[in-house]
Amino acid sequence: AQSVTQLDSQVPVFEEAPVELRCNYSSSVSVYLFWYVQYPNQGLQLLLKYLSGSTLVESINGFEAEFNKSQTSFHLRKPSVHISDTAEYFCAVMDNAGNMLTFGGGTRLMVKP
Amino acid sequence: KAGVTQTPRYLIKTRGQQVTLSCSPISGHRSVSWYQQTPGQGLQFLFEYFSETQRNKGNFPGRFSGRQFSNSRSEMNVSTLELGDSALYLCASSIGLAAYQETQYFGPGTRLLVL
Repeated sequence: AQSVTQLDSQVPVFEEAPVELRCNYSSSVSVYLFWYVQYPNQGLQLLLKYLSGSTLVESINGFEAEFNKSQTSFHLRKPSVHISDTAEYFCAVMDNAGNMLTFGGGTRLMVKP
Repeated sequence: KAGVTQTPRYLIKTRGQQVTLSCSPISGHRSVSWYQQTPGQGLQFLFEYFSETQRNKGNFPGRFSGRQFSNSRSEMNVSTLELGDSALYLCASSIGLAAYQETQYFGPGTRLLVL
């Protein structure tokens, strides 16, 4: 079985400040890691994913996440946030058998002007 | 390409009733997965269908069922509704099975309220 913990349920931050959303997972097998974003009243959108290779993955809108196997973490970072980044962010894992996505509880990022 | 569509978007039912939710995947996508999102339990996997067959199932009671048609459209059914079934039900489609790390594209969801 696998589980995902997002340590912060809410992260308030001022516009143009850096942000880190934390994600830790536990699994007895190798996993694939994902970050999804959910804007108000919308479904989830894939932000970025780690399957293999370089441990640092980037999205097209300036987010990046680094897979740290020793710390079983996949924290999401952005050096400078915008008001439009206000949303809920979900970290998810899938075991390498691809059975299903297990999601964390979500972190609500609130960007203030 | 049109995205994943879900109907209806909002639904109100009473305890004991049954409900059917519909999901139309992106054209060409053959896998459809269903998730339940609640404030208390977060996002939980219900099941995945591929080529009209259920390939994976989450930890939900038998009241939750689904099916997939030959055109890849999927329906989810919940019988004998309980108050705790109130949730946002999300559907996601992918080209192939999630097992192949296929990117899943989510629909906007159906918000079900059970009174």
